[in-house]
Amino acid sequence: AQKVTQAQTEISVVEKEDVTLDCVYETRDTTYYLFWYKQPPSGELVFLIRRNSFDEQNEISGRYSWNFQKSTSSFNFTITASQVVDSAVYFCALSNDRGSTLGRLYFGRGTQLTVWP
Amino acid sequence: AAGVIQSPRHLIKEKRETATLKCYPIPRHDTVYWYQQGPGQDPQFLISFYEKMQSDKGSIPDRFSAQQFSDYHSELNMSSLELGDSALYFCASSLRARVQNEQYFGPGTRLTVT
Repeated sequence: AQKVTQAQTEISVVEKEDVTLDCVYETRDTTYYLFWYKQPPSGELVFLIRRNSFDEQNEISGRYSWNFQKSTSSFNFTITASQVVDSAVYFCALSNDRGSTLGRLYFGRGTQLTVWP
Repeated sequence: AAGVIQSPRHLIKEKRETATLKCYPIPRHDTVYWYQQGPGQDPQFLISFYEKMQSDKGSIPDRFSAQQFSDYHSELNMSSLELGDSALYFCASSLRARVQNEQYFGPGTRLTVT
């Protein structure tokens, strides 16, 4: 079974603070893919990053960084020096390589991040 | 660059009515996915199509049906609408061969059932 858990339902920070969004996943597949999406109040889903199960390198993109650890089945997302525009719901998602469910995304429940000025 | 187009963007229907949501994938994409996101919920997979054939089915109610046409656009048909069908419906498209690298979401259709 594929499962994504985002234990943090809501997080509030003040601008310029760093914040980490947690994501823990469950899968029996050896090949799988992890994603983060941002959903601002306008509602669209904005792709942030994709990671495959063979690539445990951490990644940094501007103020965003991701920490993928297979040993703990976690794919955490850190925003450095948060800004008000970062306020959104953030979803972690998982997909596998099985033919029958190829490309289907299993989403976590999301974390509502509010950044106060 | 062309993106996934969904129409209409907003739709208001009454209980027991029918609704049709349309999705136009990115040109040359052969795979379409439909997701339903209820208020305060995460997106839930409904159904997908590859080369005009249903490829995967999730938690789609029997009152819903969908298909992919020869031009690769897809339609989600919803009948006997219930209040609980009020949600944001997303369509995503990809090239099946690159689905794990590139899956693009449309802006969504917000359906309100009154």
